Amino acid sequence: KQEVTQIPAALSVPEGENLVLNCSFTDSAIYNLQWFRQDPGKGLTSLLLIQSSQREQTSGRLNASLDKSSGRSTLYIAASQPGDSATYLCAVRDNYGQNFVFGPGTRLSVLP
Amino acid sequence: GAVVSQHPSRVICKSGTSVKIECRSLDFQATTMFWYRQFPKQSLMLMATSNEGSKATYEQGVEKDKFLINHASLTLSTLTVTSAHPEDSSFYICSARDTGLFPYEQYFGPGTRLTVT
Repeated sequence: KQEVTQIPAALSVPEGENLVLNCSFTDSAIYNLQWFRQDPGKGLTSLLLIQSSQREQTSGRLNASLDKSSGRSTLYIAASQPGDSATYLCAVRDNYGQNFVFGPGTRLSVLP
Repeated sequence: GAVVSQHPSRVICKSGTSVKIECRSLDFQATTMFWYRQFPKQSLMLMATSNEGSKATYEQGVEKDKFLINHASLTLSTLTVTSAHPEDSSFYICSARDTGLFPYEQYFGPGTRLTVT
């Protein structure tokens, strides 16, 4: 059974810092991996999607990498801003039922 | 991009009543839709997978008679929480898979906050 973990559980940084969020998964037979942002009481906003054959994806200040063999992904946020404060969820879609398995999330606070 | 809507966004109901939540794919067809539940400060947990025109598949521990799912068309799935109790209070999120276009991406709705008093 696929399990997804995220480290750290919470992170508080001053504005302007670069930061890295980590995601690990136990079964490397994945279809793709996706990073989401969730603001309090709100739904999910898709940030980056990496197909199993890809190594990384970039969008603006965000860069996500995928090392399928080691079961790891990182989300890099450059020059963090207070508006980046949210919970970041990593989700893995497997090759079998192709359901998403979500990690517990990292709660990010960027202080002005 | 593809849009998934949910209605209502918030609902408060009394214990023992039933409440229906709708999930619609607005600009694509979704043979498969998913229902997730999220408790405060926890991640999303898959409740069930629904396929258009057939019975839903429920995850272990989810009562199928309590959480009724109907996926009657390619753009609409409904989740009915029957005889709701306070412990059913949660954030329910649906997701729809675009089965008409490879790589069959999955899009998430904005969620429905259910409070049972």
